[in-house]
Amino acid sequence: ELKVEQNPLFLSMQEGKNYTIYCNYSTTSDRLYWYRQDPGKSLESLFVLLSNGAVKQEGRLMASLDTKARLSTLHITAAVHDLSATYFCAVAGNQFYFGTGTSLTVIP
Amino acid sequence: ETGVTQTPRHLVMGMTNKKSLKCEQHLGHNAMYWYKQSAKKPLELMFVYSLEERVENNSVPSRFSPECPNSSHLFLHLHTLQPEDSALYLCASSQDRTTVISGNTIYFGEGSWLTVV
Repeated sequence: ELKVEQNPLFLSMQEGKNYTIYCNYSTTSDRLYWYRQDPGKSLESLFVLLSNGAVKQEGRLMASLDTKARLSTLHITAAVHDLSATYFCAVAGNQFYFGTGTSLTVIP
Repeated sequence: ETGVTQTPRHLVMGMTNKKSLKCEQHLGHNAMYWYKQSAKKPLELMFVYSLEERVENNSVPSRFSPECPNSSHLFLHLHTLQPEDSALYLCASSQDRTTVISGNTIYFGEGSWLTVV
């Protein structure tokens, strides 16, 4: 079974700082997804990465995929409070395999 | 608003009760899913329906019984649950089953918080 590991599980960062969330997975896949979940809310699709070297950016978030390393990163630039949420990566095999999530808190 | 609506949002039930969770999608999708989200654990895929036919059942206990009467509606019937079944149950939909392979995403509802007492 494909395993997906995220780290860190919890992240507390100050506004204006940069940080990266890592997503490692155990078997070959070239389809990786990032989602955001606010407390009590649904999972919202952020990025879909479909090939090695894919990079996508939306606002202060940038996601990349290295299929050879089986690694995706979600980079946060100049964090703001509104980015506080839980972020999940998911890898497509014969189903979606989700990581445990990274709970991000941005402190003013 | 994701186009996937779940009811009820919160449910408290005793271990001997029978209840159901309902999901409706307004996106014209052909595949629907039930996921379980427990604290500190990855999302667990429970069931997959494609064109109203169950295509995947990930070793889910029989006390959880899905039903998909049409491509827009999905139910999860619950009976004789255990306290460890308390979790957030998420419904999702996608254009079709192969969406996972083709790269399009799936859309989640806001979930039903279940507490078993």
